[in-house]
Amino acid sequence: DAGVIQSPRHEVTEMGQEVTLRCKPISGHDYLFWYRQTMMRGLELLIYFNNNVPIDDSGMPEDRFSAKMPNASFSTLKIQPSEPRDSAVYFCASSWGPSYGYTFGSGTRLTVV
Amino acid sequence: DQQVKQNSPSLSVQEGRISILNCDYTNSMFDYFLWYKKYPAEGPTFLISISSIKDKNEDGRFTVFLNKSAKHLSLHIVPSQPGDSAVYFCAASDPGTASKLTFGTGTRLQVTL
Repeated sequence: DAGVIQSPRHEVTEMGQEVTLRCKPISGHDYLFWYRQTMMRGLELLIYFNNNVPIDDSGMPEDRFSAKMPNASFSTLKIQPSEPRDSAVYFCASSWGPSYGYTFGSGTRLTVV
Repeated sequence: DQQVKQNSPSLSVQEGRISILNCDYTNSMFDYFLWYKKYPAEGPTFLISISSIKDKNEDGRFTVFLNKSAKHLSLHIVPSQPGDSAVYFCAASDPGTASKLTFGTGTRLQVTL
């Protein structure tokens, strides 16, 4: 299995632009998670899905953030409009459940200038 | 509110010695704990876990200890090797939201020659 695949690896965009991050989970994993890594807060859960249904989006910082999972093999995290404080590394992870641990993708480093 | 805390942002240990990474939590409902290891430009990878019914779990050079009364867990690496240099994240879940992991801010371990 290729693991969790995220794209792009790096994204540099100007403030106010729309940014879309993409994730392909491991086939057969029922759960998909979006995390953001910052120095101050570590790995912060933004939203997670179970069987393509959003279960908890309480970590989504603002209405500028939205996430979708149209099918079991694809998810997107969108920021519109982007702001400099959104600059961080965004990770997608998938799992059968926490007892098995999560498998993370390599992350997308987002820089908003 | 940081429910999982790693108060040491960094730790330096000589090769061959013991590395001890600490983690404290505030949510008494947490019943499952995990450690993840992260190299630069990669996603975190699962290292070891422990259930609250145990106080110790060992896997090769890695041992996790859990002290429920103190709400504290620690990861011991013996002997430390240069390849162990990475950022280590502590994570926890509770039965109510069993699929969701709460992570700490991470500790950067540097193993020196």
